[in-house]
Amino acid sequence: EVQLLESGGDLVQPGGSLRLSCAASGFTFGFYAMSWVRQAPGKGLEWVSTFSDSDDTTYYADAVKGRFTISRDNSKDTLYLQMNSLRAEDTAIYFCARSLLHSHSYPLVYFNFWGRGTLVTVSS
Amino acid sequence: IVLTQSPGTLSLSPGERATLSCRASQSVGNNYLAWYQQRSGQGPRVLIYRASNRATGIPDRFTASGSGTDFTLTISRLEPEDFAVYYCQQYGNSPPTFGPGTTVDIK
Repeated sequence: EVQLLESGGDLVQPGGSLRLSCAASGFTFGFYAMSWVRQAPGKGLEWVSTFSDSDDTTYYADAVKGRFTISRDNSKDTLYLQMNSLRAEDTAIYFCARSLLHSHSYPLVYFNFWGRGTLVTVSS
Repeated sequence: IVLTQSPGTLSLSPGERATLSCRASQSVGNNYLAWYQQRSGQGPRVLIYRASNRATGIPDRFTASGSGTDFTLTISRLEPEDFAVYYCQQYGNSPPTFGPGTTVDIK
């Protein structure tokens, strides 16, 4: 059974940092691109970042570029998101998602399995 | 690409047919459009990819069609578990973007 289990969400002050983790099981983690997608409370979905399956390429939404860093450890079947310089507008549920990437140059990606998410709240 | 979904809310009874629309501000490359279902308190689940292809394990009461800028998801006969929020997402142009969602609720 495919599972994605996010953790690390917390209440953090503006300007602070947080590291999210996503533990994967039930599939060959290294064969897939992996992504983070967020959802502000009561709002829609927003793509955040993707890590490719084949060449370690990373992609970021403009809203987080330069502040967030995605990484993965295939030996641990785990995806990470390091979030720095956090802002109130980063408050959201962060979902980890197994991804199908259709380009080597652009994040042309859809998400074929999702976790249940972890809540990040940025507030003083 | 900006995606617009209509209607915002669809109030129907179990057994009825639901038709959801997703319109893109410009043509979606290769018709790379996906549909997701999100039940309350859960992560989304992919239903459809590349405009009309059902994902693994998705019942055949879910069908989708469309190309270019206009796409449709149809649920032929609503089951109780189908009352949820539905999102379209394009991945033919960078960055990938989602529509605002259509809520299908019980009339």
